[in-house]
Amino acid sequence: GIQVEQSPPDLILQEGANSTLRCNFSDSVNNLQWFHQNPWGQLINLFYIPSGTKQNGRLSATTVATERYSLLYISSSQTTDSGVYFCAVIMDSNYQLIWGAGTKLIIKP
Amino acid sequence: NAGVTQTPKFQVLKTGQSMTLQCAQDMNHNSMYWYRQDPGMGLRLIYYSASEGTTDKGEVPNGYNVSRLNKREFSLRLESAAPSQTSVYFCASSETHLDGLFYGYTFGSGTRLTVV
Repeated sequence: GIQVEQSPPDLILQEGANSTLRCNFSDSVNNLQWFHQNPWGQLINLFYIPSGTKQNGRLSATTVATERYSLLYISSSQTTDSGVYFCAVIMDSNYQLIWGAGTKLIIKP
Repeated sequence: NAGVTQTPKFQVLKTGQSMTLQCAQDMNHNSMYWYRQDPGMGLRLIYYSASEGTTDKGEVPNGYNVSRLNKREFSLRLESAAPSQTSVYFCASSETHLDGLFYGYTFGSGTRLTVV
């Protein structure tokens, strides 16, 4: 089956810093989504991004499906950005999610 | 626009008790899902419903039953709770590819269940 790998597993940054999170997948996919799980456990949609680039405020994401990776950029980090960022690919056959292990981000004030 | 609403948010059960977790979505999505997330782990699919009237097992269905009551509602039932079912449960919905469009998943805020 498809493997989804995220890097780095952990990231500790000072408030105001920029970061890039990476998601590699082992097979071609047509659908990919980024989520943020905040320290209270809520799972928040960030981007549905099968290809191309999207931006939402300080966050942006790029997926290069032909090269099997996606990147999530966070600029001018804030403490509220802390949490775990998950990448998940969506199976074409049954629309189920295959999850990466996540990147745990800690933003220090 | 509430999205996906789960109730209750927290629950403590004794071993052997039963309960039903409720989920409702107001986005007119065809597909709905139940996931569980154990500490330090990713989400695992329990059951899903591709459309009203259909349900299918996911990765970890044992000990659970589901009901797709109508297009809006998808409930998860624990008939005889066990400590191994202590977890955070997430409901989600998505639109299927009937018209060639897909916009991804929307998740509820989760139910934190403890079985003692």
